[in-house]
Amino acid sequence: KQEVTQIPAALSVPEGENLVLNCSFTDSAIYNLQWFRQDPGKGLTSLLLIQSSQREQTSGRLNASLDKSSGRSTLYIAASQPGDSATYLCAVNQAGTALIFGKGTTLSVSS
Amino acid sequence: DTAVSQTPKYLVTQMGNDKSIKCEQNLGHDTMYWYKQDSKKFLKIMFSYNNKELIINETVPNRFSPKSPDKAHLNLHINSLELGDSAVYFCASSQVAGAPEQYFGPGTRLTVT
Repeated sequence: KQEVTQIPAALSVPEGENLVLNCSFTDSAIYNLQWFRQDPGKGLTSLLLIQSSQREQTSGRLNASLDKSSGRSTLYIAASQPGDSATYLCAVNQAGTALIFGKGTTLSVSS
Repeated sequence: DTAVSQTPKYLVTQMGNDKSIKCEQNLGHDTMYWYKQDSKKFLKIMFSYNNKELIINETVPNRFSPKSPDKAHLNLHINSLELGDSAVYFCASSQVAGAPEQYFGPGTRLTVT
């Protein structure tokens, strides 16, 4: 059974720092991996989607990598800002059906 | 225009009541989902419908009954509500089952007292 783990559970950094969020999954047979952002009391916003055949995706200050064989993905955030404070969720799409989520990393960026 | 909408946004009710949450998507997608986010913020799939037919039914009490009157709507009816049902329920849709991207609604925060 697929399990998705995110480390760390919480992270606090000063503004301007570069940071890395980690996601690991136990079954490498995935179709794709998505990173989401969730603000308190809000829904999910898709940040980046990496297909199983891809190694990375970039959007602005965000870069997500995927190493399917080792069951790992990282989300790199460059030059963090207070507005980046949120919970970041990693989810894998396996067998082409529903997403399986990790428990998230709650990021706090102080000014 | 909201792609995936849910009503109500907040729902407070007493134990034992029956309630429904509605979801609509205007993306023309074939597949819709219900996820539950518990108090520890863990998101987990409950149901998935493809073109009005149930394709995923995780281990969910049979007090929960999804209904899809057409492929743009997937409603969630909950009977005999319990304290443990308190959570945020998210609806999502994708173009087809297994499509790369799922689009999420804003969530419905259910509080059972």
